[in-house]
Amino acid sequence: GAGVSQSPSNKVTEKGKDVELRCDPISGHTALYWYRQSLGQGLEFLIYFQGNSAPDKSGLPSDRFSAERTGGSVSTLTIQRTQQEDSAVYLCASSWDYTYEQYFGPGTRLTVT
Amino acid sequence: AQSVTQLGSHVSVSEGALVLLRCNYSSSVPPYLFWYVQYPNQGLQLLLKYTSAATLVKGINGFEAEFKKSETSFHLTKPSAHMSDAAEYFCAVRRQAGTALIFGKGTTLSVSS
Repeated sequence: GAGVSQSPSNKVTEKGKDVELRCDPISGHTALYWYRQSLGQGLEFLIYFQGNSAPDKSGLPSDRFSAERTGGSVSTLTIQRTQQEDSAVYLCASSWDYTYEQYFGPGTRLTVT
Repeated sequence: AQSVTQLGSHVSVSEGALVLLRCNYSSSVPPYLFWYVQYPNQGLQLLLKYTSAATLVKGINGFEAEFKKSETSFHLTKPSAHMSDAAEYFCAVRRQAGTALIFGKGTTLSVSS
C-alpha cells in the first residue's frame, strides 16, 4: 500500500519568507509526527498529533513553527520568517496509534538562503 | 530524562564480516527501543523493535538486537555484512512523557568488498 508521502521533496527559500511543508500519512493511521534532521542536531522531535487530542508541541523550537492536521489526515508544518538555522530535512511519520511503530516519509529538504 | 548514545559515528566492515553497532540508553522506566535504517535520500525504515517481550529481537535483513537491562544496551548485530547494508543506522527510545522517539546521533556503516 501507499506509504507516508511528503511534499515538496526539496524547498529553497530566502531568509525571512514563510514556508509550508505537507505530509500525507498512511490511510487509517491516527498518530502523526514531525521530526527535523540536521547535521548539528541529529533527529529531533517537533510535534505529535493523536486523533482529536490536543497536539504535543513540546518539541517546536520557537513560535515561528506551527503545524496543523486537518480532518485527522493531512498535516502541514509552517515555518514563518525562516532563518538559515531552519535548513534541515523535515521528516513526517505516522502510526496506528502511539503503541505502534512509526512509518517515515522521505522527507522535505529545506534550504534557507 | 531519556537519552540514547550511539558509540561510533562511523563503522567500517568488510563484506561477510560481523556487523556490530552499539547503542546505550538512559531511561528510568522500562524502555521501548528501536533501530531504524536510512538509505541515502530516503526516509527511515524500521529494522526492529523491543517492547518488553523477548530480549533478543530479530528484524529484517538478517539484523538482530539484544536488550540488556544490566548494561542499558541495545546493540545491533548481523553475522555477515552485505554491500547493500551500507547506510546510516539510528537507535531510538520512545519518550516517557509522550510517544515521540528520541534518536541517537546515528552510525554510518560502510561495507567494503
